[in-house]
Amino acid sequence: EAGVTQFPSHSVIEKGQTVTLRCDPISGHDNLYWYRRVMGKEIKFLLHFVKESKQDESGMPNNRFLAERTGGTYSTLKVQPAELEDSGVYFCASSQVSTSLGQDTQYFGPGTRLTVL
Amino acid sequence: AQSVTQPDIHITVSEGASLELRCNYSYGATPYLFWYVQSPGQGLQLLLKYFSGDTLVQGIKGFEAEFKRSQSSFNLRKPSVHWSDAAEYFCAVGGGSYIPTFGRGTSLIVHP
Repeated sequence: EAGVTQFPSHSVIEKGQTVTLRCDPISGHDNLYWYRRVMGKEIKFLLHFVKESKQDESGMPNNRFLAERTGGTYSTLKVQPAELEDSGVYFCASSQVSTSLGQDTQYFGPGTRLTVL
Repeated sequence: AQSVTQPDIHITVSEGASLELRCNYSYGATPYLFWYVQSPGQGLQLLLKYFSGDTLVQGIKGFEAEFKRSQSSFNLRKPSVHWSDAAEYFCAVGGGSYIPTFGRGTSLIVHP
């Protein structure tokens, strides 16, 4: 069974540019999550999809970030325009159910390392 | 609010030595506790988790962790470290929701 995949693995862009990150969850997983780790800090939750619907986007830092999950399969996270503080590693995770951490396990991808110069 | 503290940013051990990575948490009720590992180029992999019951939890790759409520700790241990254990380790706490709170991670360096 293929795991969660993310593309690209690395991205280096200049401040003001646009970047789009992609996540392909495990097949059959309705739940998809985005997290971010700023250098040396904790991994923090950004948002959660159930199929194509945003269930919780309380962790999105500002309106420069736009996440989509058309058709309930893969998801994209667009940053436009990128700022220096957006640099970090963006992780995607998927799970079958989302009632609680006690009921299910989130499977994480390898992350996309974003560097904004 | 829940939080996790991993006091060691880096830990260096010799291959074959024992390992203990520290994790302290803050949570208002009985927590769900997790340890994840990220090897270079890989995703976060769940090593083990504690929900209830026996406070000594066995995980994959020979790791174990012990939940100590009185110390609000969930330290990760391994009796003999292998070079392939070099990675970054994350402790996380959660509860009724599905969103874990992670610590800052501990980077493990293994010397031959």
